[in-house]
Amino acid sequence: QSALTQPASVSGSPGQSITISCTGTSNDIGDHNYVSWYQQHPGKAPKLIIFDVSNRPSGVSNRFSGSKSGNTASLTISGLQAEDEADYYCSSYTSSTTLYVFGPGTKVTVL
Amino acid sequence: EVQLVESGGGLVQPGASLRLSCGASGFTFSSYAMSWVRQAPGKGLEWVSSIHGYGGDTYYAQSARGRFTISRDNAMNMLYLQLNSLRPEDTAVYYCAKTLSGTSPRQDYFQYWGQGALVTVSS
Repeated sequence: QSALTQPASVSGSPGQSITISCTGTSNDIGDHNYVSWYQQHPGKAPKLIIFDVSNRPSGVSNRFSGSKSGNTASLTISGLQAEDEADYYCSSYTSSTTLYVFGPGTKVTVL
Repeated sequence: EVQLVESGGGLVQPGASLRLSCGASGFTFSSYAMSWVRQAPGKGLEWVSSIHGYGGDTYYAQSARGRFTISRDNAMNMLYLQLNSLRPEDTAVYYCAKTLSGTSPRQDYFQYWGQGALVTVSS
């Protein structure tokens, strides 16, 4: 059982915007801003797309944006494209001996 | 270009041991913490272990503590994960990952990932 909660699936049509939520607790997401998101295509390694809640690494499309409110972080994908079809995982640093926790992943489908 | 290449995976019986290796290139290895993250077949990501850039401090998930040992050889640009007393639930692809910011694995992110090494524990 994952420490963070995400919806199992989200879908949208090309060009639309979708938002994936990630709910934690006051011990992880609610405690600081070390929240990240990873994109994983089938058979591939995960790719960091958001860090520090809302920052994008160099080379990541600005169609990806992140935010946080309380114990919940969110990833928004704007202008949905076929290539965005993938699994998305949220992650948070924790202050416990378990340094990092992940959500169970959300499968994004482009209709 | 950053490259991380895992090796050492395979099929082992329950209770056996295995050592995973990760060769790194394209960055100053000792300047970054490194981690292992695993993914069971069809499941999500699970952080396993991290090690400070200098190798002094190590951290483990509860599932790994006491059975797995992370280490690094900065002279050879190599990261290792020794897996002992393996269980069927340890079956997963094990990824090595480089942190984004620096030597401490705390309060950081997994910036680059290898292609993964499959470990299968089955009798």
